Amino acid sequence: IVLTQSPGTLSLSPGERATLSCRASQSVNSYLAWYQQKPGQAPRLLIYGASSRATGIPDRFSGGGSGTDFTLTISRLEPEDFAVYYCQQYGGTFGQGTKLEIK
Amino acid sequence: EVQLLESGGGLVQPGGSLRLSCAAFGFTFENYAMSWVRQAPGKGLEWVSGISASGGGTYYAGSVKGRFIISRDNSKDTGYLQMNSLRAEDTAVYYCAKSQGKTAGAFDFWGQGTLVAVSS
Repeated sequence: IVLTQSPGTLSLSPGERATLSCRASQSVNSYLAWYQQKPGQAPRLLIYGASSRATGIPDRFSGGGSGTDFTLTISRLEPEDFAVYYCQQYGGTFGQGTKLEIK
Repeated sequence: EVQLLESGGGLVQPGGSLRLSCAAFGFTFENYAMSWVRQAPGKGLEWVSGISASGGGTYYAGSVKGRFIISRDNSKDTGYLQMNSLRAEDTAVYYCAKSQGKTAGAFDFWGQGTLVAVSS
């Protein structure tokens, strides 16, 4: 299964809404997770089961979708949200990542 | 507090071998699957290998199948990745990650990573 994320880079300002996309080459049902990675750090789990927030994740982060099309939405960007985001099918392949940068 | 501590990385020549370890703390290790994920310099995440909670199921990415062996010792709360026939393209930071379930699931905890550099 290949996961394709879009866009590759997203330039937004704090306070704006971010929508990131992940498309699977075949259905993964809801077995999809989203991770955030900042430079020099390990990835952090944000969303599992396509739409469930991991422990300690702020409610401005939300996930949606099922089957082959998924989205990660950050409702109002905070300065600490600018990072690289990856989707992953459970226990397997990752998407290539979306870099969220400050405009 | 859940912690995963990787060790065993370093510089190795092409064709050489390394064994990575991942020591687990703060949870019942034998109840959860674990995986290794790598990240080449400046690149994205690549899942490498996974092992079920019991150790009975092992899984590999095509890029490492036949060269890498994943294992675990539940009596020592430690996972391992034996890497053989190393190539320059195996150069990366290697992370171990804990799964949410016994056989699969999202990776809810990660180690800080260990660097493997393959070069002559």
